[in-house]
Amino acid sequence: GIQVEQSPPDLILQEGANSTLRCNFSDSVNNLQWFHQNPWGQLINLFYIPSGTKQNGRLSATTVATERYSLLYISSSQTTDSGVYFCAGEAQGGSEKLVFGKGTKLTVNP
Amino acid sequence: DTAVSQTPKYLVTQMGNDKSIKCEQNLGHDTMYWYKQDSKKFLKIMFSYNNKELIINETVPNRFSPKSPDKAHLNLHINSLELGDSAVYFCASSPGPGLASHFGPGTRLTVL
Repeated sequence: GIQVEQSPPDLILQEGANSTLRCNFSDSVNNLQWFHQNPWGQLINLFYIPSGTKQNGRLSATTVATERYSLLYISSSQTTDSGVYFCAGEAQGGSEKLVFGKGTKLTVNP
Repeated sequence: DTAVSQTPKYLVTQMGNDKSIKCEQNLGHDTMYWYKQDSKKFLKIMFSYNNKELIINETVPNRFSPKSPDKAHLNLHINSLELGDSAVYFCASSPGPGLASHFGPGTRLTVL
């Protein structure tokens, strides 16, 4: 099956800083998604981004499908951005199964 | 309005017992899933149903049995619970297989 590698595994920021989280896939994927798991455990879908760039407020994501990676940008970070960010994708060939990375744990300090 | 709901939120039980977790979605999605998140936060799919039909059944012990009475519900029944079953179980739904998934709040299962 496909391997999903996220970097960095841990990230500590001061409020107001910008950051970039990366997700690499071992093979081509469909249906790439980014999720945020807040400190209370809730998983929120941030982006469905199989290719291209999308923006939602202070967050944006870019997927370069041909090079098998995706980036999540967080600008002007806030303490509420803390949590674990996961990317997930489905192997091409129609497995219809999302495979998750191990996540990036982000801590934003006031 | 809760999009994907699960009950119960917490479940503490003894080894060997049988328990069920219920999931309902009001998004009108065709596909529903069960995921397991272990103590290291790793998320892994267990089952997926599309229009009430099982389409993904990962390597999960047959003590775990999903049931989808209709498109809006996907329940998980676990027989003969073991210590290693302790985890957070998430239900999710999407418009179709693999598409943008929306997760429920999770059920934290603790087996003593």
